[in-house]
Amino acid sequence: SAVISQKPSRDICQRGTSLTIQCQVDSQVTMMFWYRQQPGQSLTLIATANQGSEATYESGFVIDKFPISRPNLTFSTLTVSNMSPEDSSIYLCSVAPVGLAAAKNIQYFGAGTRLSVL
Amino acid sequence: QQQVKQSPQSLIVQKGGISIINCAYENTAFDYFPWYQQFPGKGPALLIAIRPDVSEKKEGRFTISFNKSAKQFSLHIMDSQPGDSATYFCAASTSGSARQLTFGSGTQLTVLP
Repeated sequence: SAVISQKPSRDICQRGTSLTIQCQVDSQVTMMFWYRQQPGQSLTLIATANQGSEATYESGFVIDKFPISRPNLTFSTLTVSNMSPEDSSIYLCSVAPVGLAAAKNIQYFGAGTRLSVL
Repeated sequence: QQQVKQSPQSLIVQKGGISIINCAYENTAFDYFPWYQQFPGKGPALLIAIRPDVSEKKEGRFTISFNKSAKQFSLHIMDSQPGDSATYFCAASTSGSARQLTFGSGTQLTVLP
């Protein structure tokens, strides 16, 4: 399985500021995804991070609010911009690795970033 | 539109009992159905998964039952243990280049000692 490191693990931010979350994987992966999990809720896909090109956003999520970078096959960042208390949530990175696991649609998740916006 | 419906929202089971969580899907293009286990403060971890070409898959105490015609699948946890207390999510995805997971709403399982 892939080992995923997400930073920071948690943060408390002021309204109107931005936070960048990093996701580092220990091996090359085909696909990287960013999810949001609001307290006590399920996971909602924000976007697919594409290596070397613009991310693909799901309905309800826009690049201006959640800019994403993926400069190589093992690293991605998600920025939560101009934050409001409604952005308080857990943000999770997931990866679909290359090789046999990829054929099985397997995805591995990081531990998440717990964000509180005051 | 929620494409994967999960029930119950919460479940309390005695130690040694059987825990059963159910999911139903709408999109017939889904062809991969994983279950994830999430402990507080942790990310979801893949528990077991099934494809629609089989009706059942068992790994240890965990079994997935799949009913393609009814578009339903369920997770059975045999001999439930207090350490199984966690939130369980079913999910579904399609093959191909997309492979995004669509998650159910989650079931909070509590196994009493």
